Amino acid sequence: GAGVSQSPRYKVAKRGRDVALRCDSISGHVTLYWYRQTLGQGSEVLTYSQSDAQRDKSGRPSGRFSAERPERSVSTLKIQRTEQGDSAVYLCASLRPGSVGTEAFFGQGTRLTVV
Amino acid sequence: KNEVEQSPQNLTAQEGEFITINCSYSVGISALHWLQQHPGGGIVSLFMLSSGKKKHGRLIATINIQEKHSSLHITASHPRDSAVYICAVRCRKGSQGNLIFGKGTKLSVKP
Repeated sequence: GAGVSQSPRYKVAKRGRDVALRCDSISGHVTLYWYRQTLGQGSEVLTYSQSDAQRDKSGRPSGRFSAERPERSVSTLKIQRTEQGDSAVYLCASLRPGSVGTEAFFGQGTRLTVV
Repeated sequence: KNEVEQSPQNLTAQEGEFITINCSYSVGISALHWLQQHPGGGIVSLFMLSSGKKKHGRLIATINIQEKHSSLHITASHPRDSAVYICAVRCRKGSQGNLIFGKGTKLSVKP
């Protein structure tokens, strides 16, 4: 399709388990962000990558979050040893230079519930 | 102090009212986004602005680069406009240009 898609839409994980979330962005897009939204805490960026980086750069102090880019238009966010505080909606945003500045395209998100 | 501040945090309006949500930021930016998130979690990108004003249907977004301020207006509000509205800025920081998000404004429009 023409947009950014994420899978799965919903994920339930037991505390302490690792989870992997997928983002299919748009071919030709340069930068891809992973961020999450929690009730009451708003949004925070987890990691981002440029198009030629296999490994993403984490903006988080905790090493439990990492992202890999096995293909240029695909990113996988990995969360190790999930905690209940990780319950949130995880979103990816794909950016590309446009004629009037950077355009951003957002996925629909994955709602993660850690039990 | 957050680099992106939104106000109000919560807003309740009656159907038909004119609504304004504000966003102030303290960093140099290359673009500002207004996003809409419905209770199901999906996010829709409403506008991307680097200057001036944009209009789409009942939604209007404005930005004042000198004052580092943007507003999102909804005319003739409707219950289906109930959502969280998020302001996000793309910083002009080196070559990476981080995205910084506001905490969102929760809008509830009553019939």
